[in-house]
Amino acid sequence: DTAVSQTPKYLVTQMGNDKSIKCEQNLGHDTMYWYKQDSKKFLKIMFSYNNKELIINETVPNRFSPKSPDKAHLNLHINSLELGDSAVYFCASSRGSSNQPQHFGDGTRLSIL
Amino acid sequence: GENVEQHPSTLSVQEGDSAVIKCTYSDSASNYFPWYKQELGKRPQLIIDIRSNVGEKKDQRIAVTLNKTAKHFSLHITETQPEDSAVYFCAAKDAGKSTFGDGTTLTVKP
Repeated sequence: DTAVSQTPKYLVTQMGNDKSIKCEQNLGHDTMYWYKQDSKKFLKIMFSYNNKELIINETVPNRFSPKSPDKAHLNLHINSLELGDSAVYFCASSRGSSNQPQHFGDGTRLSIL
Repeated sequence: GENVEQHPSTLSVQEGDSAVIKCTYSDSASNYFPWYKQELGKRPQLIIDIRSNVGEKKDQRIAVTLNKTAKHFSLHITETQPEDSAVYFCAAKDAGKSTFGDGTTLTVKP
């Protein structure tokens, strides 16, 4: 009965490959997010969707493409992976996009060889 | 855009002492200020939050204060315990976007 679940938990792949991370929430929230947490533990927002519509698109290389098939799912596809993409990627969701807390998934640790 | 500064970056206290973490923000339109705790290898989890119409909020050993005029807010943990050791993040939220501080690594020594 995990609230925000992401798969896979670990992803080890070679430079230049294309990979996807999936996220699903069963909280009935209408807003979902992707964050990147680097080796220094800084949490940086990448994208946010509200009711399947993109509302936040930070300065992220266009190799990263989010997709929200419905408001309970937000996937992240990454093309041509680079060494600098190694990080933990967290999915999160909230009710509305304003003054409500975010619920985070357990993260996907991406390691580029 | 919003800029959130968090201090200190590391904090070490003796068990039973108090710990204070401070954050400042730049955008006066921000109206929601959550605090998250992240244990090693785990996800960030909300521990307390405060909205702009409130100056202080308390939940057992944890309290948060907000000064909107000065644009700063603080987390106070009293009677610290070893299980409070973690990275703590503040955030300021406006119009759907949360900007996080860089985190404070709190170590509570038994």
